[in-house]
Amino acid sequence: DIQMTQSPSSLSASVGDRVTITCRASQSISSYLNWYQQKPGKAPKLLIYAASSLQSGVPSRFSGSGSGTDFTLTISSLQPEDFATYYCQQSYSAPIFGGGTKVEIK
Amino acid sequence: EVQLVESGGGLVQPGGSLRLSCAASGFTFSSYAMSWVRQAPGKGLEWVSAISGSGGSTYYADSVKGRFTISRDNSKNTLYLQMNSLRADDTAVYYCAKESGYDILTGYYRFDYWGQGTLVPVSS
Repeated sequence: DIQMTQSPSSLSASVGDRVTITCRASQSISSYLNWYQQKPGKAPKLLIYAASSLQSGVPSRFSGSGSGTDFTLTISSLQPEDFATYYCQQSYSAPIFGGGTKVEIK
Repeated sequence: EVQLVESGGGLVQPGGSLRLSCAASGFTFSSYAMSWVRQAPGKGLEWVSAISGSGGSTYYADSVKGRFTISRDNSKNTLYLQMNSLRADDTAVYYCAKESGYDILTGYYRFDYWGQGTLVPVSS
């Protein structure tokens, strides 16, 4: 099975900061990679699909990049509503999610 | 507006059974594959099962294969998950999620809409 590893597992940042989260696959998955945001007590929300395509309605400060085994989610200027946990998910085969990255207020 | 509303969760004893439902609205239900994804308390996301738009194809995670059954009633716009032989490690919030296409887990699939989740605690 493909393993998905996210780093860091948590980070502290301030409003306005540029934030980068990394996701690594245990084997090449081309661009079959999605990103989700989850706030406490809420369902996950799709942000990015196919590694770099922005889901409709998602602010443009979110962007994704990468292919093969290494991927990144970038928030260009962190907003108060962006404090949440972020998950990557490979769509190359049966869904496997990364362990999550919690973005906390500094 | 797409809406997914889960129901049927609740406390169940180890070895017991439970059936979850997910009522869908706001889209042509029969045109999309659907999945169940769960989240144990304080843990990450784990995909459980998927079903094609017609219901003719199903797929399960190894952790639930042989114990859980996914199904759908397109006339009622409802997705189901029958859970048997429940164990303590099945304790989780169970989400239903709409896939982006008709076939299970193909192409650049993604889960574009999620329900609010229903909690299933398995404990004696």
